[in-house]
Amino acid sequence: AQKITQTQPGMFVQEKEAVTLDCTYDTSDPSYGLFWYKQPSSGEMIFLIYQGSYDQQNATEGRYSLNFQKARKSANLVISASQLGDSAMYFCAMRETPGGSYIPTFGRGTSLIVHP
Amino acid sequence: EAGVTQSPTHLIKTRGQQATLRCSPISGHTSVYWYQQALGLGLQFLLWYDEGEERNRGNFPPRFSGRQFPNYSSELNVNALELEDSALYLCASSLRTDRVAFFGQGTRLTVV
Repeated sequence: AQKITQTQPGMFVQEKEAVTLDCTYDTSDPSYGLFWYKQPSSGEMIFLIYQGSYDQQNATEGRYSLNFQKARKSANLVISASQLGDSAMYFCAMRETPGGSYIPTFGRGTSLIVHP
Repeated sequence: EAGVTQSPTHLIKTRGQQATLRCSPISGHTSVYWYQQALGLGLQFLLWYDEGEERNRGNFPPRFSGRQFPNYSSELNVNALELEDSALYLCASSLRTDRVAFFGQGTRLTVV
């Protein structure tokens, strides 16, 4: 069974609008971390934002915020005020610690295209 | 501070040959993870090294192997290359219990 599910293969958004990328996860470990990475066409994986399972508040990093709903096992990425440079693949990932294997596991990704 | 560096950036090999990919982690990081990303697909976990030992491997044949050196840099070897091994190979590093794994820019391997 997949541990990370990203149900949106592709998303389109108008420049300057906000967009939400969905991610659900599956774990029985009480301690885990959730991440989002951006992968532009160059291939590098760029770390965007982190949310720990015990964090009380949703994580924010500039224009990125993570909408963490623990009971629903959901960790959606919200990008506010989209820019043309945001066009890329976005991957949700999870790391189960300390009872897990520490190996980050990834979803299949969502392709985001920002239109001018 | 230098990030994760991978070499070479691009590699072209003939079917049946061997490929060696290298990864230098962020200074102080002891864990190195290798992933394969075939065209249009997500990241498939290959290998995890920590403190010089192989800790886990993904569902790949034994011709995918590697090692971690005393300075925590790592090497991925792919023997008897097949056409379907063509992919972007990504290396990431972290402290074993750290929150975030940081990635290198990847090595794009093409098998012809």
